[in-house]
Amino acid sequence: GAVVSQHPSWVICKSGTSVKIECRSLDFQATTMFWYRQFPKQSLMLMATSNEGSKATYEQGVEKDKFLINHASLTLSTLTVTSAHPEDSSFYICSAYRLAGGGSSTDTQYFGPGTRLTVL
Amino acid sequence: DAKTTQPTSMDCAEGRAANLPCNHSTISGNEYVYWYRQIHSQGPQYIIHGLKNNETNEMASLIITEDRKSSTLILPHATLRDTAVYYCIPYFENEKLTFGTGTRLTIIP
Repeated sequence: GAVVSQHPSWVICKSGTSVKIECRSLDFQATTMFWYRQFPKQSLMLMATSNEGSKATYEQGVEKDKFLINHASLTLSTLTVTSAHPEDSSFYICSAYRLAGGGSSTDTQYFGPGTRLTVL
Repeated sequence: DAKTTQPTSMDCAEGRAANLPCNHSTISGNEYVYWYRQIHSQGPQYIIHGLKNNETNEMASLIITEDRKSSTLILPHATLRDTAVYYCIPYFENEKLTFGTGTRLTIIP
């Protein structure tokens, strides 16, 4: 259990285009999902917290108009990188927050496999 | 958020137990200790978590000191697939998971 998927696993796009990344919790419902970004040889950095049915909360320094987040259902959150530029090239990872129960003693975040974005 | 200190890197022979230490001396009373690992070019994988008692699951064992200021993740029989960066993260529900630099564990054939 506790499987999180991401689509696509990789994408190459031209500068100025928009890219949408999907994050799905496959076997549990997640009222909260998180989006992270990871540059080469660096650790994961939280970009935003996505709550089902409400606006996302962005970390300091993350442009909310550039990184659009939609959490339309309890199993799906999307991240759209608008007007992508080469500096947006990175590894984008989502996580879904699974509440305690089903054998787990406390709430746990489970991560997707990541999406590698390359902007030319 | 509690800060953690982990070795930058460690090597372990295949088949031996890998013991990964973590210091979290400023952990608060309600924070659990979570361990994740990240294999190259993949998303982090949840391993185990604990509060005060030692924990064991199919992947690993977690030993937490009585004062909760440090813990050790034990992979009992390391394989080449265990080569990854391991993160120790104090965490309480609804907090943000803050990833440090972790320990790069290399399993040697």
